[in-house]
Amino acid sequence: AQSVTQLDSQVPVFEEAPVELRCNYSSSVSVYLFWYVQYPNQGLQLLLKYLSGSTLVKGINGFEAEFNKSQTSFHLRKPSVHISDTAEYFCAVSGAGTASKLTFGTGTRLQVTL
Amino acid sequence: KAGVTQTPRYLIKTRGQQVTLSCSPISGHRSVSWYQQTPGQGLQFLFEYFSETQRNKGNFPGRFSGRQFSNSRSEMNVSTLELGDSALYLCASSVTAGGPTDTQYFGPGTRLTVL
Repeated sequence: AQSVTQLDSQVPVFEEAPVELRCNYSSSVSVYLFWYVQYPNQGLQLLLKYLSGSTLVKGINGFEAEFNKSQTSFHLRKPSVHISDTAEYFCAVSGAGTASKLTFGTGTRLQVTL
Repeated sequence: KAGVTQTPRYLIKTRGQQVTLSCSPISGHRSVSWYQQTPGQGLQFLFEYFSETQRNKGNFPGRFSGRQFSNSRSEMNVSTLELGDSALYLCASSVTAGGPTDTQYFGPGTRLTVL
């Protein structure tokens, strides 16, 4: 079984500052890793995903994440955030045999202020 | 191309009743997954259907059931509602099932309130 831990429930940051949202996973098998964003009263939107290959993954809206197998981490980063990035961010994992069954972390609320 | 649609968007029921939620996947998508989102438990996988067959199931009681029709539309049913069933129910669709390159697209959800 896989699990995901998002270490920060809330991350406040000023506009144009860099941000890192942390995610650690646990699994005994190969995994696929995802970051989703949820805006108020909306469903989830895929930001990026790691399947294999290059450990640095670039996604939409200027976000990127780095897969670190030795530290079992998949942290999300953005060099300069905007007010519109205020949302809930979820890290998720799936196993090779159950790729459509996502296990989500508890979410990190990113609050961007002026 | 239209996204995943879920109906109704909001629903209020009382304890003991049953409810049916509907999900229409993106055209051409054959896999539909359901998730429950609550403040206490977060996002939890309910089940997944592909070509009218349930392929995966989460750890939920038998009161939660689902089905998929030949046009890939899916419904989930919750019988004998409990207060703890109050949640946002999200549906996600993908082209196939089990393929990691296959992105899941989520609908806006159905907000169920049980009184």
